[in-house]
Amino acid sequence: GENVEQHPSTLSVQEGDSAVIKCTYSDSASNYFPWYKQELGKGPQLIIDIRSNVGEKKDQRIAVTLNKTAKHFSLHITETQPEDSAVYFCAARHPTTNYMRFGAGTRLTVKP
Amino acid sequence: GAGVSQSPSNKVTEKGKDVELRCDPISGHTALYWYRQRLGQGLEFLIYFQGNSAPDKSGLPSDRFSAERTGESVSTLTIQRTQQEDSAVYLCASSLPGGGYTFGSGTRLTVV
Repeated sequence: GENVEQHPSTLSVQEGDSAVIKCTYSDSASNYFPWYKQELGKGPQLIIDIRSNVGEKKDQRIAVTLNKTAKHFSLHITETQPEDSAVYFCAARHPTTNYMRFGAGTRLTVKP
Repeated sequence: GAGVSQSPSNKVTEKGKDVELRCDPISGHTALYWYRQRLGQGLEFLIYFQGNSAPDKSGLPSDRFSAERTGESVSTLTIQRTQQEDSAVYLCASSLPGGGYTFGSGTRLTVV
């Protein structure tokens, strides 16, 4: 089945800097790649997603890029703010699988 | 409802007791998922419901775990004879077919 790996497990940046989190997936047929943000004591929230027919998607300060050949996708956060501090999860869905597999998560800390 | 509602938010139970966790999905979302999140770890798939189809139970870790859903409404996850290793946050999510998940806030289960 699909396997998703996420790096790094922790990331600390200075406010205003950029943050990049990377995920790789194992099955080239996977076609949907969302990113979730989880704040303390809350459930994960969808922040951006990309489908396999697109190479990049942006939403204000966040963007996701997808490299289907290399089977990896990345989350980019620019001009980071302290409120961006959270755990971020990537996920991948295979078209024949009923559910998504998640990466292990990245704890992002933005220092003021 | 406006979001995915889970209850209780916290549950402390004695080892060997049975527990029942409830999830109320977003109205109109035909797909419902249960995931387990151990402390500091990623999301582990447990079970998936889609409409009136047979559920995908491939993620349930043992026969002590079971779940039910009536139509496209409320789901309950039951853990029988709880063990300390069952301690985790149990997250429920719902979605439209092929869409991103909306998660609830989870039920934090502690087995003492």
